[in-house]
Amino acid sequence: NAGVTQTPKFRILKIGQSMTLQCTQDMNHNYMYWYRQDPGMGLKLIYYSVGAGITDKGEVPNGYNVSRSTTEDFPLRLELAAPSQTSVYFCASSYKYGYTFGSGTRLTVV
Amino acid sequence: AQKVTQAQTEISVVEKEDVTLDCVYETRDTTYYLFWYKQPPSGELVFLIRRNSFDEQNEISGRYSWNFQKSTSSFNFTITASQVVDSAVYFCALSVLSGGYQKVTFGTGTKLQVIP
Repeated sequence: NAGVTQTPKFRILKIGQSMTLQCTQDMNHNYMYWYRQDPGMGLKLIYYSVGAGITDKGEVPNGYNVSRSTTEDFPLRLELAAPSQTSVYFCASSYKYGYTFGSGTRLTVV
Repeated sequence: AQKVTQAQTEISVVEKEDVTLDCVYETRDTTYYLFWYKQPPSGELVFLIRRNSFDEQNEISGRYSWNFQKSTSSFNFTITASQVVDSAVYFCALSVLSGGYQKVTFGTGTKLQVIP
């Protein structure tokens, strides 16, 4: 049972570079989410999706984009990386209440 | 608006001591869920428990127990006979249905250090 799979686990980006954080779930969950966790802080919602083709902004969407072409995949795109985007990113999925989290992506922008 | 307060930023205990992690929440919704997650030093988030707003029964799972009190809007977590492996950051979270999705608000976490 894979659950929620995130890739990569670690990445270093230079300022201005772009990248896509991948997230895949195999539980047929409709709801998927992207969070970021800054050092010593809780999780903040970046974007979420309630189903394929439907996405919406969370608390901190600036600098990010998402798409949801299938139920399984919910990639997060950083177009112009900035040092403020240095963080740990968690993808999660849910059916109703209760999340299953991926193992996280630690991103450093230098 | 929802809010979750974990007033204890860091706690240190000596192994085998009992420790309680506090969580106070705010919501106007009558239907909601409360969660605790554990984040060990390895970084992953591990689900510990879910409790819905209509179930105030306390729960015990091994050395872990949870005390849910709607009257004080609290959902406290107690570890009995703590062990070094309990060292982690613990997050309390509140979930309500909002605009068609599960809106989850996390507390800022309590870092627990268990000293051998």
